[in-house]
Amino acid sequence: DIQMTQSPSSLSASVGDRVAISCRASLDISNYLNWYQQKPGKPPKLLIYAASNLGTGVPSRFSGSGSGTEFTFTISSLQPEDIATYYCQQYDHLLPTFGQGTRLEIK
Amino acid sequence: QVQLQESGPGLVKPSETLALTCSVSGYSISSGYYWGWIRQPPGKGLEWIANIHHSGTTYYNPSLKSRVVISVDTSKNNFSLKLISVTAADTAVYYCARGAYCSTTSCPHWFDPWGQGTLVTVSS
Repeated sequence: DIQMTQSPSSLSASVGDRVAISCRASLDISNYLNWYQQKPGKPPKLLIYAASNLGTGVPSRFSGSGSGTEFTFTISSLQPEDIATYYCQQYDHLLPTFGQGTRLEIK
Repeated sequence: QVQLQESGPGLVKPSETLALTCSVSGYSISSGYYWGWIRQPPGKGLEWIANIHHSGTTYYNPSLKSRVVISVDTSKNNFSLKLISVTAADTAVYYCARGAYCSTTSCPHWFDPWGQGTLVTVSS
């Protein structure tokens, strides 16, 4: 199965900062990569699908890029409500796997 | 809008079977999507368990395949999970979610929406 490696595992940034999270796949997955946001006690929420497409109602400060094995999730201007854990997820032949998560905190 | 709700016992004894049901409202489970189960141990990350299509086609996480059965009941618009021979390592919040929609040429697969999740504790 395909392994997903996220970095960093945790991140501290200030309001207004540009924040980037990396996700690396163990094999070429084309653009089969999604990003989720999870706040404490809540289910994950889909933010980005197929590497770069914004989910329904998701603010435009969130974006995704990449293809093949290297992907990046970016928040252009960090807001207090963005404090959460972020996960990447690949889909290959209907056998999805998640990254280990990146915990984002306010500095 | 589409809503999913997990139900089942919150406490299961070691070596017994965990059984959960996901009830879907606002959307027919027969309308073409795959439906899935994902779990999250306390304080840890997400682990996909299994997917099912209304036709009965199933996909399982290879690491859990020997202990998991996923099934669908289109008449009740729900789908279910059974995990046998549970141990403390199976303690987790279990989520159900809508998954892939496959056409003849592609099968894009993201989970959206999700249920609120249900905590299942394995303990005697």
